[in-house]
Amino acid sequence: KQEVTQIPAALSVPEGENLVLNCSFTDSAIYNLQWFRQDPGKGLTSLLLIQSSQREQTSGRLNASLDKSSGRSTLYIAASQPGDSATYLCAVPNQAGTALIFGKGTTLSVSS
Amino acid sequence: DGGITQSPKYLFRKEGQNVTLSCEQNLNHDAMYWYRQDPGQGLRLIYYSQIVNDFQKGDIAEGYSVSREKKESFPLTVTSAQKNPTAFYLCASSEQRFYTEAFFGQGTRLTVV
Repeated sequence: KQEVTQIPAALSVPEGENLVLNCSFTDSAIYNLQWFRQDPGKGLTSLLLIQSSQREQTSGRLNASLDKSSGRSTLYIAASQPGDSATYLCAVPNQAGTALIFGKGTTLSVSS
Repeated sequence: DGGITQSPKYLFRKEGQNVTLSCEQNLNHDAMYWYRQDPGQGLRLIYYSQIVNDFQKGDIAEGYSVSREKKESFPLTVTSAQKNPTAFYLCASSEQRFYTEAFFGQGTRLTVV
């Protein structure tokens, strides 16, 4: 059964710092991996989707990498800002594609 | 703007009452999903639908019911059989299963009073 783990559960950094969020999964036979952002009391916003054939995806200050063989993905945030403060979730589909399996998230706090 | 609209944002349920959460999408997606989010437990799948007039139970379907009469709409009813309904409910859609990018609504917070 696929399991997704995100470490650390919480992270506090000063503004301007570059940081890396980690996501690991137990079954390397994934179709894709998606990173989301969730603000308190809000829904999920899709940040990046990496297909299994890709190694990385970039969007602005965000860069997500995928290493299927080791069961890991990282989300790199460059030059962090207070507005980046949120919970970041990674998710992979089950084999049938009928459900997304989520990690429990990393809550990021960026101080000015 | 294309997206997923959930309503209401906040909902209060009395004991023994059924309530319905609305989810509408204008993305022309075939697949729609309902998730429940609880602190410390992450997101769990309640129901999903791949096409109109068809839906399947997820991991925690007991006490919930859904319908899919139109492609753009996937309402969730929380019945009185759901003993612990207080949670944050999220609706999602994707073009074709989760092999494509998933999009989520802004959520409905349900509280039992």
